[in-house]
Amino acid sequence: DGGITQSPKYLFRKEGQNVTLSCEQNLNHDAMYWYRQDPGQGLRLIYYSQIVNDFQKGDIAEGYSVSREKKESFPLTVTSAQKNPTAFYLCASSIVTGAGYNEQFFGPGTRLTVL
Amino acid sequence: EDKVVQSPLSLVVHEGDTVTLNCSYEVTNFRSLLWYKQEKKAPTFLFMLTSSGIEKKSGRLSSILDKKELSSILNITATQTGDSAIYLCAVAPFQGAQKLVFGQGTRLTINP
Repeated sequence: DGGITQSPKYLFRKEGQNVTLSCEQNLNHDAMYWYRQDPGQGLRLIYYSQIVNDFQKGDIAEGYSVSREKKESFPLTVTSAQKNPTAFYLCASSIVTGAGYNEQFFGPGTRLTVL
Repeated sequence: EDKVVQSPLSLVVHEGDTVTLNCSYEVTNFRSLLWYKQEKKAPTFLFMLTSSGIEKKSGRLSSILDKKELSSILNITATQTGDSAIYLCAVAPFQGAQKLVFGQGTRLTINP
């Protein structure tokens, strides 16, 4: 089955620790994205990547880092510099074609709680 | 700054009612508007609208874009408890990258 997987589903972290959230897709999509969802605020873009070994900051990149060493994988690290990391994190992917827009497909998400 | 605003933020209705959800946007170089449904975890794609005035329909759900008014509506007729979800509106600006700007979402609750 093609799709996007995220792990873990739930993650608990102590303050001051870095954690890495996994996102893998087997849809052969070029572009991948990370969003953060807080209650009442919709989805906000953290980072995105349109091609391997290249990525760009989104609207709220401070305190986060990413890598894109393989087309299928786009891990997100939440560093200790992120002041309020407790949130629901969603990964998405899409194909990239010329001038048209293509919908993004989402993974099931990771709920991160900082204790 | 690109912005998407949805209203209402929350809506509670009875099964069988018809609901209309609103989405307005301010973006530079509009490309497309998308609607997603989020039940518990992953948002699932509903519609993508690019041309003004053309209705997209899927069963009891329909949506239309008004580029003049910079807005879109999502209609759900004969609502069922399974329609309870957060409905997200997002706009893709024409920036060369496949980015989306999301609204806050509308939480729809259908009571039996």
